[in-house]
Amino acid sequence: EADIYQTPRYLVIGTGKKITLECSQTMGHDKMYWYQQDPGMELHLIHYSYGVNSTEKGDLSSESTVSRIRTEHFPLTLESARPSHTSQYLCASSEYRWDQPQHFGDGTRLSIL
Amino acid sequence: AQSVTQPDIHITVSEGASLELRCNYSYGATPYLFWYVQSPGQGLQLLLKYFSGDTLVQGIKGFEAEFKRSQSSFNLRKPSVHWSDAAEYFCAVGAGGSEKLVFGKGTKLTVNP
Repeated sequence: EADIYQTPRYLVIGTGKKITLECSQTMGHDKMYWYQQDPGMELHLIHYSYGVNSTEKGDLSSESTVSRIRTEHFPLTLESARPSHTSQYLCASSEYRWDQPQHFGDGTRLSIL
Repeated sequence: AQSVTQPDIHITVSEGASLELRCNYSYGATPYLFWYVQSPGQGLQLLLKYFSGDTLVQGIKGFEAEFKRSQSSFNLRKPSVHWSDAAEYFCAVGAGGSEKLVFGKGTKLTVNP
């Protein structure tokens, strides 16, 4: 069973606030990912990282930013939240080998009022 | 660029009946294919993966999938569905393996008693 944790699970907050979504994994995985998921839609990759100090933008443009200062931690930040940021955000991690699957956290459901 | 189509948005089956969920992909090279399941309020769990070799792949929870290159398909099957199988199922294709996955929009499975 994968050990990847996301907090908070649910967040309802007003427009303009700064938000940080936390993601931590205890498996020592090098690669980590953030996906955005809307109801009835596919997951879209918004950020990923190959390891410490590595961050890349995904296929879906996002106003969020990420950092990777420690292997186990990959937080996502929105500097000024807007209603268009309302979505579910899923974090995942995998070993560096190309044939290893991604393991997902339970997600953060974000609602911006 | 790769893409994934899951033609069925919602499928309803009776408990004990057989199940087949369809997945069609588009990718020019050898695809790396995955099926994930997502229960309400949770993240994605890997059911099975195909990288190469035997085209019939066995996964967890009694699921299997068959890769058919000629049809660009990777359909998921289960001979006898249990009520606990009710969830959303996502097919995904990877270009370089398991990173940078492209997901389908998912198929929601309802199981009637």
